[in-house]
Amino acid sequence: KNEVEQSPQNLTAQEGEFITINCSYSVGISALHWLQQHPGGGIVSLFMLSSGKKKHGRLIATINIQEKHSSLHITASHPRDSAVYICAVVPSNTGNQFYFGTGTSLTVIP
Amino acid sequence: DGGITQSPKYLFRKEGQNVTLSCEQNLNHDAMYWYRQDPGQGLRLIYYSQIVNDFQKGDIAEGYSVSREKKESFPLTVTSAQKNPTAFYLCASSIGLGYEQYFGPGTRLTVT
Repeated sequence: KNEVEQSPQNLTAQEGEFITINCSYSVGISALHWLQQHPGGGIVSLFMLSSGKKKHGRLIATINIQEKHSSLHITASHPRDSAVYICAVVPSNTGNQFYFGTGTSLTVIP
Repeated sequence: DGGITQSPKYLFRKEGQNVTLSCEQNLNHDAMYWYRQDPGQGLRLIYYSQIVNDFQKGDIAEGYSVSREKKESFPLTVTSAQKNPTAFYLCASSIGLGYEQYFGPGTRLTVT
């Protein structure tokens, strides 16, 4: 079983397009994280959410706790946004482990 | 500069040998984690440590061992008992369990 599902698995976009990556989860959570993994393998944390919406530059993350769903949006996409985007949740019954999605591989073409 | 480092970036070993992967952080974080990443799969937790001298098994601990003798260091040993050790290994740390995690650059281990 996979507690965290992401869609799409792969995404190709033209530079400038608006991009949406979706994350659905099946457990009660205390927080949800969006991570970015660069082609070299390094991972950086983009957002930590427990409710509502957060914005950082061209990135926007939203979460709907009732529907167990989160979205990551990228406005005015750029080739440097090409990476794997990973959704991770912290279950509320344990609070000490992350459950990770398998990631969405994004390629932005100039 | 505060951060988390892993060494080496690439590691090659012969089957049957134990190998230790290094992870060091100077972020003063209490919690540290080891993950394994395989193609097409999400990150999987191997071990985690909440404080010095304490660590807990994750989902796939068989064939691995860790120690946490210092707050800054959380080395992972891949033993010969691990059936399929070739993978990308990531170390992370956080101020506490469940909080935002900071990841190291990873070590790609190849066992032949």
